[in-house]
Amino acid sequence: QKEVEQNSGPLSVPEGAIASLNCTYSDRGSQSFFWYRQYSGKSPELIMSIYSNGDKEDGRFTAQLNKASQYVSLLIRDSQPSDSATYLCAVFLTGTASKLTFGTGTRLQVTL
Amino acid sequence: KAGVTQTPRYLIKTRGQQVTLSCSPISGHRSVSWYQQTPGQGLQFLFEYFSETQRNKGNFPGRFSGRQFSNSRSEMNVSTLELGDSALYLCASSFSPTYEQYFGPGTRLTVT
Repeated sequence: QKEVEQNSGPLSVPEGAIASLNCTYSDRGSQSFFWYRQYSGKSPELIMSIYSNGDKEDGRFTAQLNKASQYVSLLIRDSQPSDSATYLCAVFLTGTASKLTFGTGTRLQVTL
Repeated sequence: KAGVTQTPRYLIKTRGQQVTLSCSPISGHRSVSWYQQTPGQGLQFLFEYFSETQRNKGNFPGRFSGRQFSNSRSEMNVSTLELGDSALYLCASSFSPTYEQYFGPGTRLTVT
């Protein structure tokens, strides 16, 4: 089982719709969770961080964390063509090998 | 506040050569992590430095090494370059190891 898993996509949503991106992780002790956005040819950009169960909202973005299910998601409301990018889920794994581990990313396409 | 800077931005090297990449973190950040990104493997963790000490190392051969200076600037070195080392090398800084990481623009290395 991969440490951080994401559906590679592409996930295609029409402009104005809600995009839902999902991520599961294997380390039950993980405490820190992040979402990054990466445009083609650019470096990842941090868009959300979440540390406790529940929802965290920032503008059009909502991160959701369920530690019991080892599941973290990102909702993008009112999707815009400029949201088209790859979204990377990152989890800070605990233990002696503690490090930030990334999923392979989900490519989002927002269509007109 | 200035972001993470990486130099050089682009490099072309020949197999067998060595290369040194540099990273200057955000002011006040003491943790620097290095990643390799390729289309096939995604973001792979190389190593992390905090207060001049290597905290963790990824699963890369010994040809990959790094260090951090007292001003938190970091360098990574790759010796005896191979074609498979062609990748985008990303540096990320954070206030401390479990906090949000912010990426620099990356150094694109091409080995011919």
